[in-house]
Amino acid sequence: AQSVSQHNHHVILSEAASLELGCNYSYGGTVNLFWYVQYPGQHLQLLLKYFSGDPLVKGIKGFEAEFIKSKFSFNLRKPSVQWSDTAEYFCAVRQGSGNTGKLIFGQGTTLQVKP
Amino acid sequence: NAGVTQTPKFQVLKTGQSMTLQCAQDMNHEYMSWYRQDPGMGLRLIHYSVGAGITDQGEVPNGYNVSRSTTEDFPLRLLSAAPSQTSVYFCASSTRDRGTGANVLTFGAGSRLTVL
Repeated sequence: AQSVSQHNHHVILSEAASLELGCNYSYGGTVNLFWYVQYPGQHLQLLLKYFSGDPLVKGIKGFEAEFIKSKFSFNLRKPSVQWSDTAEYFCAVRQGSGNTGKLIFGQGTTLQVKP
Repeated sequence: NAGVTQTPKFQVLKTGQSMTLQCAQDMNHEYMSWYRQDPGMGLRLIHYSVGAGITDQGEVPNGYNVSRSTTEDFPLRLLSAAPSQTSVYFCASSTRDRGTGANVLTFGAGSRLTVL
């Protein structure tokens, strides 16, 4: 069965520090890749997605992610975090051509940014 | 345009009771799904639907039933609630963009269920 692993469960950073959250998946075929963010008390919102083309994807709020097919990875990065980035971050993968709404999510990473 | 609407937002049940979590979307999306979110486990897919009249099981379907009689609605039924079903439940819908081919989920606000 396909699985998604997020290596960091809880990350604490100071403002202006750089961020990288790891995400690896197990499926070897065509995949669509996503990062979602859940701010405290809110529902999930899409940060960025990769379907095809340039493996370096830019999302909202200064986030970016790089798809490395050979490593089955889709790590999330931000050069300088802000206190408002405190949230839970989820990596998600859809296998195949993307013609369904079926996503498999990672366990989530809680990011705490200290002011 | 309300997006994905879930009701109720909060519910407390006793073991063995039944209830239905409602989910409605007004975007004419063909795909709908239910997830549960538990600490340290991320979101796990319970059931999903690729269109009216079609449903299928996800990763953790046991104890839950769904139906999709209309495009707009995708209710999740707990026939006999158990404490293990205490969780936050999210409904999501999506469609495939004709231009980009992208199929991106839109989530509801969530329903927090406690089973005593």
